[in-house]
Amino acid sequence: KQEVTQIPAALSVPEGENLVLNCSFTDSAIYNLQWFRQDPGKGLTSLLLIQSSQREQTSGRLNASLDKSSGRSTLYIAASQPGDSATYLCAGLGGYQKVTFGTGTKLQVIP
Amino acid sequence: EAQVTQNPRYLITVTGKKLTVTCSQNMNHEYMSWYRQDPGLGLRQIYYSMNVEVTDKGDVPEGYKVSRKEKRNFPLILESPSPNQTSLYFCASCRYPGLSTDTQYFGPGTRLTVL
Repeated sequence: KQEVTQIPAALSVPEGENLVLNCSFTDSAIYNLQWFRQDPGKGLTSLLLIQSSQREQTSGRLNASLDKSSGRSTLYIAASQPGDSATYLCAGLGGYQKVTFGTGTKLQVIP
Repeated sequence: EAQVTQNPRYLITVTGKKLTVTCSQNMNHEYMSWYRQDPGLGLRQIYYSMNVEVTDKGDVPEGYKVSRKEKRNFPLILESPSPNQTSLYFCASCRYPGLSTDTQYFGPGTRLTVL
């Protein structure tokens, strides 16, 4: 059974700092890995999707990497802003079309 | 506008009173799924559907039913709700998750409280 872990559970950084969020998964047989953002009381917004054949994806200040052999993905946020404050979730799509989410990292960017 | 809608957004009910949470998508997506989100446990998949009349259990299907009679709709049914089903529920859809390029689109969530 796939297990996805995100560390740290919470992170507080000053505005402007670069930061890395981590996601680990136990089963390397994934089709893709997605990073989402969740704002309080809201649904999930997809940020980046990395296919199993890719190593990284970039969108603006965000860069996500995937290393299937080590079971790890990272989300790099450059020059963090207060508007980046949210909970970040990673999710792996595995066999039988099942999606497994991590428990998330709650990020606070302090002005 | 491409979207996934859920109704109701908030619901307070009592133990044993059957309820249905509706989910609808307007993107002609093949795949739809239900999740529940609980503090410390993250999002867990309840049921998913690859297409009309095709549904499968996720990780936590006990106490829930679903149906997929039409491509756009995927209602979640709680025949006899219990307090441990108090949670935040999300519906999601994507074109076909087997395509590794596909992104999931999420509804706004339904906050359910069972007294």
